[in-house]
Amino acid sequence: DIQMTQSPSSLSASVGDRVTITCRASQSIGTYLNWYQQKPGKAPKLLIYAASSLQSGVPSRLSGSGSGTDFTLTISSLRPEDFATYYCQQSYSIPWTFGQGTKVEIK
Amino acid sequence: QVQLVESGGGVVQPGRSLRLSCAASGFTFSNSALHWVRQTPGKGLEWVAIISHDESHKYYIDSVKGRFTISRDNSKNTLYLQMNSLRAEDTAVYFCARDPGITLVRGHLDYWGQGTLVTVSS
Repeated sequence: DIQMTQSPSSLSASVGDRVTITCRASQSIGTYLNWYQQKPGKAPKLLIYAASSLQSGVPSRLSGSGSGTDFTLTISSLRPEDFATYYCQQSYSIPWTFGQGTKVEIK
Repeated sequence: QVQLVESGGGVVQPGRSLRLSCAASGFTFSNSALHWVRQTPGKGLEWVAIISHDESHKYYIDSVKGRFTISRDNSKNTLYLQMNSLRAEDTAVYFCARDPGITLVRGHLDYWGQGTLVTVSS
């Protein structure tokens, strides 16, 4: 199975900050990498697919990049609604696997 | 709009069975592959199973192979997960989710249900 490792596990930031979350795959996965946001008690929400494609309705302050084994999710200017947990997921091979999550908290 | 609504969760003893359902609306159900994903506080999100749009392909995570069966009824727009020989480690919130591919699998999950809690405990 492909292991997905996110860093950091949590971070504290302020509204307006630029935030970057990293996801590393245990083997090359091309651009088969997706990002989700989850708020407490809610289902995950797709943000970015295929490493850099923004899902419809997701604000452009979010962006994704990377290929191979290293990927990043960037929020250019943090807004209050962005405080949540973020997960990466590889869709290169079954079983699809998720990272352990990065919790973005208010500083 | 796309909606997925899970049901069937509850408390069950180890070794017993449970069937989850996921009622779908707002899209052409018979064109979409569908997934089950579960979430526990300790293990985070874990993909469980996928079924192709026409039921011709089904894949499972190793830990549920031989115990869980994914199925669908395209006439009822409903996805199922039959869970047998349940174990304590199957305790989780179970989500159904849609793959956005049309008669093919793209691997990302664009719509999710709200989840249903399964607790396996004596």
